This record gives sequence, C-alpha cells and structure tokens, in this order.
Amino acid sequence: DIQMTQSPSSLSASVGDRVTITCRASLGISSWLAWYQQKPGKAPKLLIYAASSLQSGVPSRFSGSGSGTDFTLTVSSLQPEDFATYYCQHSNIFPITFGQGTRLEVK
Amino acid sequence: QLQLQESGPGLVKPSETLSLICNVSGGSISSTGYYWGWIRQPPGKGLEWIGSIYYTGSTYYNPSRKSRVTISVETSKNQFSLKLSSVTAADTAIYYCARHESTAPGGYIFDHWGQGTLVTVSS
Repeated sequence: DIQMTQSPSSLSASVGDRVTITCRASLGISSWLAWYQQKPGKAPKLLIYAASSLQSGVPSRFSGSGSGTDFTLTVSSLQPEDFATYYCQHSNIFPITFGQGTRLEVK
Repeated sequence: QLQLQESGPGLVKPSETLSLICNVSGGSISSTGYYWGWIRQPPGKGLEWIGSIYYTGSTYYNPSRKSRVTISVETSKNQFSLKLSSVTAADTAIYYCARHESTAPGGYIFDHWGQGTLVTVSS
C-alpha cells in the first residue's frame, strides 16, 4: 500500500496568512494526488486533483503543486472559512489511502 | 445535481454485522467511468477508505478490512450497500458513501459525498 504522510499535523495561522501543507507519498505517484477540506460535522470537499488542478468552484487562493513523492497545498491568503482540516489522498491505484490530516486553526 | 444519502442503524452490537445503504439520486449509478465507495472516519480521527464498487459489480476492498467487508450494488434501485461483519468498538465511526472517478484526469478522486452517518458499536 502507498502510505501518505502529511506535515504538520496541526498549524496555527491568522486571517490573511499564507500557509503551506506538505504531503509525502511512500512511493512515486506521478501527479495522482488530491486534496480535500473537511469542516466539523461535514463531509470532505474536493479542492484539488491531479496535484495542481483546481476543482470547479474552489477559490483560486488554493493551489497545489508537486509530483512524484512530494506535494504541497498552499492557501495564499487565509479567509475565516478556510480554518478546517485538510487531507491528501493518492488517486492512482487501489487501495486508496489518505494522509492523517492537517488541522488548520486560528492563531 | 448528484446526491448521495446513507441510511442504516445507528447502533450495532459487538460481533454483529453493520449494514448500510447509500441511495443515489440526480444521476445513474450505472454511469460509466465512476466507482461508488465507502469511507469511514472514527470520531476525531482521519479518513479510511473501506472499498469501492463499479456498477458491473466489480469490487475493490481495503486489504486490512477485506475479510469482513462486502459491498454490493443494486442498479435497479440506484443504490449500493456496505456490510461489515463481526464488528467491535473499533468500528465505531462516521460512514460516508461517495462517488469517485475511475480514470483521468484525476484518477480515483471523490467528487461527491453523502453527509455521513454515525454508527456506534456497543452492547
């Protein structure tokens, strides 16, 4: 199985900050990487697929990059609604695995 | 607009079988190019993929759960289901059903999710 490791596990930031979350795959996965946002009591929401493609309707302040084993999710200017937990997921083969999550909190 | 809705008992006794159904509306479960999957999330923890099914009945399971999991599809009712046998307290979680693509450009990405249903395993 491909293991996905996110860092940091939690992050404190303020509105307007630029934040970056990292995801590392245990094997090379080319660009087969997705990012999700989950708010308390809600299902995850797809933000980015194919490492850098923005899902329809997702604000452009979200961006993704990387290929192979190392990937990043960046929020260019945090908005109040962006405080949530973020998960990466490899999307190329079964079994599907997710990272352990990064909780983005208000500083 | 595609919608998924989980249903089933919220409380299951240890050693029994957890059974959930996901009803799909606003689209056909027989659409080519899409899988239908189950993901769970223990309270306060991360996401775990349980398994996925194609409308033809082809299934893919998480190896760590494979011996206890059965996913099936009923195209005439536009729904698919999950059965997890011999449950323990460790199976207490929010269970989500979701749709994911099967090919490019994003691969197996979950683009539509149900709201989730909490299943508690307790006597």
